[in-house]
Amino acid sequence: NAGVTQTPKFRVLKTGQSMTLLCAQDMNHEYMYWYRQDPGMGLRLIHYSVGEGTTAKGEVPDGYNVSRLKKQNFLLGLESAAPSQTSVYFCASSRPPGQGTMNTEAFFGQGTRLTVV
Amino acid sequence: QKEVEQDPGPLSVPEGAIVSLNCTYSNSAFQYFMWYRQYSRKGPELLMYTYSSGNKEDGRFTAQVDKSSKYISLFIRDSQPSDSATYLCAMRNTGRRALTFGSGTRLQVQP
Repeated sequence: NAGVTQTPKFRVLKTGQSMTLLCAQDMNHEYMYWYRQDPGMGLRLIHYSVGEGTTAKGEVPDGYNVSRLKKQNFLLGLESAAPSQTSVYFCASSRPPGQGTMNTEAFFGQGTRLTVV
Repeated sequence: QKEVEQDPGPLSVPEGAIVSLNCTYSNSAFQYFMWYRQYSRKGPELLMYTYSSGNKEDGRFTAQVDKSSKYISLFIRDSQPSDSATYLCAMRNTGRRALTFGSGTRLQVQP
């Protein structure tokens, strides 16, 4: 099925460990995003990309890095995990602005549950 | 103060009730307004989409946007147990794809 696939679905890290979350989309979308979801906070944008080879900071970028080497993939890295990064991480993709219909808005993956102990 | 405010609930209603979910926002540049539905341990899925002010209806769901009051609503008619989920409002500016979300309202429809 077409969509956004996140790997892994669950992970437990120790403080100070590093890891990479992988997002892959097969809808040929230009834009990709990483959000985190915490209780009572909704979804907050970490980083986003408007095309292959480009990245930009969102609302809560500290402690994370991203790369978009291929159009279909967007990687989120944690270099030195902290308990404050315990969260559910969602990747999303969309078409560029200017094509404003419902079908061009953000399409989300199923999430990665990360616990940092 | 958050840019988008949403009552977290939880909201519990009997099957068949009319449900009203609301968000207020402060950024007058927001032009696109959405409601996402999120089932437990799943990703958000786009439910309703409205550009600027006005109403949009899709089956049992109606979305309303009042830009003069900076207030958006989602109405669910004849609510069903399968509507039990968290509902997230989201909005964005023209030319910007990243969304600003409310914190979500958890809805429970009792059979």
